[in-house]
Amino acid sequence: GEQVEQRPPHLSVREGDSAVITCTYTDPNSYYFFWYKQEPGASLQLLMKVFSSTEINEGQGFTVLLNKKDKRLSLNLTAAHPGDSAAYFCAVSALENTGGLSGKLTFGEGTQVTVIS
Amino acid sequence: GPKVLQIPSHQIIDMGQMVTLNCDPVSNHLYFYWYKQILGQQMEFLVNFYNGKVMEKSKLFKDQFSVERPDGSYFTLKIQPTALEDSAVYFCASSLGTGGAETLYFGSGTRLTVL
Repeated sequence: GEQVEQRPPHLSVREGDSAVITCTYTDPNSYYFFWYKQEPGASLQLLMKVFSSTEINEGQGFTVLLNKKDKRLSLNLTAAHPGDSAAYFCAVSALENTGGLSGKLTFGEGTQVTVIS
Repeated sequence: GPKVLQIPSHQIIDMGQMVTLNCDPVSNHLYFYWYKQILGQQMEFLVNFYNGKVMEKSKLFKDQFSVERPDGSYFTLKIQPTALEDSAVYFCASSLGTGGAETLYFGSGTRLTVL
């Protein structure tokens, strides 16, 4: 089955600097890719979902790059600010054997980001 | 945005007892999920549920686990009896549809401690 590895597990970044979190996955049938942010005591908040390969997808204060050839998904926090301190999770959904897609997600282990002022 | 509520946020229970975790999904959503996260490990899929039935479950969804959503109310995960290895954070999620591109909306989790 699908395996998703997320690195690093912990990340300290100075305010204003950038930081990169990377996930690698194994299933070539992986189709949709998600980044979630979780602040302490809160629910997972969807940052972005992507499916196009080798495109840079820009959000508010971050960019997401998907490289299907390398089976790699990355989240780049640009100009980090204290509000970015949270846990970040990548997640992947894959085509089932039937050729369809299900809502089942395989998550990475998470990255705890701390922004230092 | 849409919110999924989980009640309670923490629950402590003695091994062998029954526990029910409650989830109030987004009101017009049709698909419901439970995920389990053991401390320090990644979140793992347990089960998904649609139209009153379990659609898919993982090997983590033991025989002691059951889910239901009676009369469109709370979506619940019941564990009976509980075991020490059931200690984890349980996340509920819901989505409008299914198909991989659907956004799953998650609750903030219930931390279950089995003593």
